[in-house]
Amino acid sequence: EPEVTQTPSHQVTQMGQEVILRCVPISNHLYFYWYRQILGQKVEFLVSFYNNEISEKSEIFDDQFSVERPDGSNFTLKIRSTKLEDSAMYFCASSPAGAPDTQYFGPGTRLTVL
Amino acid sequence: AQSVTQLDSHVSVSEGTPVLLRCNYSSSYSPSLFWYVQHPNKGLQLLLKYTSAATLVKGINGFEAEFKKSETSFHLTKPSAHMSDAAEYFCVVSGRGTGFQKLVFGTGTRLLVSP
Repeated sequence: EPEVTQTPSHQVTQMGQEVILRCVPISNHLYFYWYRQILGQKVEFLVSFYNNEISEKSEIFDDQFSVERPDGSNFTLKIRSTKLEDSAMYFCASSPAGAPDTQYFGPGTRLTVL
Repeated sequence: AQSVTQLDSHVSVSEGTPVLLRCNYSSSYSPSLFWYVQHPNKGLQLLLKYTSAATLVKGINGFEAEFKKSETSFHLTKPSAHMSDAAEYFCVVSGRGTGFQKLVFGTGTRLLVSP
């Protein structure tokens, strides 16, 4: 069964550094998403991406964040100038044409900012 | 805005006994509702989805959920718990109020299954 994959599983970085989290969505899916879960808190929507552009974003997704689909298979989240409060589990998800709310999630990347 | 409330942060059951995980939703529009499960160190797995076709929705691993508009509830049930069901369960809503692409998660219910 096709799955969403994410790399790395755990990323440790110093405050102020840039990180790129990578995702490979399910191959025939058209909608892509990033969510995050700060330890002990709810899973929060960050951004959705469709047809090579951002279709919706939350208040959290400010200029510090960007997303890109550099090729036909990868979907990345870049966080510039990381802060301590960016430490969280970041989940990538994808969904098929016609059912954007039926989202399939990857295993997550745990980001630790020191 | 749409939201979900999971009424229990933890539920403990014995193996072989029924499971009930409670969820209430708030929505100005007809919502789509989901249950996701997260096993330790694993991603979020879709258990089932309600989209108004039928009020009783069957999911994977023997789970089902019933949409009750009069009670604004979408409780998750399973007749007989298995040790492998121990995990965190999330009730989720999407729909016109949030934008169909944005899922809004509840706080989660941790299911503990004892032998």
